[in-house]
Amino acid sequence: SQQGEEDPQALSIQEGENATMNCSYKTSINNLQWYRQNSGRGLVHLILIRSNEREKHSGRLRVTLDTSKKSSSLLITASRAADTASYFCATGGPGGKLIFGQGTELSVKP
Amino acid sequence: EAGVTQFPSHSVIEKGQTVTLRCDPISGHDNLYWYRRVMGKEIKFLLHFVKESKQDESGMPNNRFLAERTGGTYSTLKVQPAELEDSGVYFCASSQEWNEQFFGPGTRLTVL
Repeated sequence: SQQGEEDPQALSIQEGENATMNCSYKTSINNLQWYRQNSGRGLVHLILIRSNEREKHSGRLRVTLDTSKKSSSLLITASRAADTASYFCATGGPGGKLIFGQGTELSVKP
Repeated sequence: EAGVTQFPSHSVIEKGQTVTLRCDPISGHDNLYWYRRVMGKEIKFLLHFVKESKQDESGMPNNRFLAERTGGTYSTLKVQPAELEDSGVYFCASSQEWNEQFFGPGTRLTVL
């Protein structure tokens, strides 16, 4: 089955709150990536964390990786309405293809 | 440097018709991938080109889908005949290295 299962499937919060999304995967990885898709638009690469890293920051984003539990989390701090989007984790498969999770639909209400 | 481009951005067709999607990768990128997101579900891999050769087409759903990459440059994905369940967003990505895939804006396909 697909790697990169995510939870929650949907998350609704108020502007200013933090949003946490989790992702689990099944096989060993070299890295794990997070992407965002705004409604009807393309995929935007957010952050890549390598298997030998435990935590990585980029602006208001914080990603953690626990290879022993085969899980990762994405934290968005001080959320904004513009953060409303679908968020996906992805791991690398054979040939470099990405295997995406089901995604979390984040809704940030103003 | 131009990014990955896709054309059209949106296509609305009727069931049974044919649609051809195009992807122009970043110049010099040998790897080209097609993915799609159907009905708000997960994003699934369709196929992978290395230059003009199909490296992996394990994700192609059926023989109604045909992908080509002429001369190792742009790629087309043809759906013939289109069915309702083909509606979704089709993404193209290119890379030089396996870890760094750059995605295009996607083509939203609506089959009525």
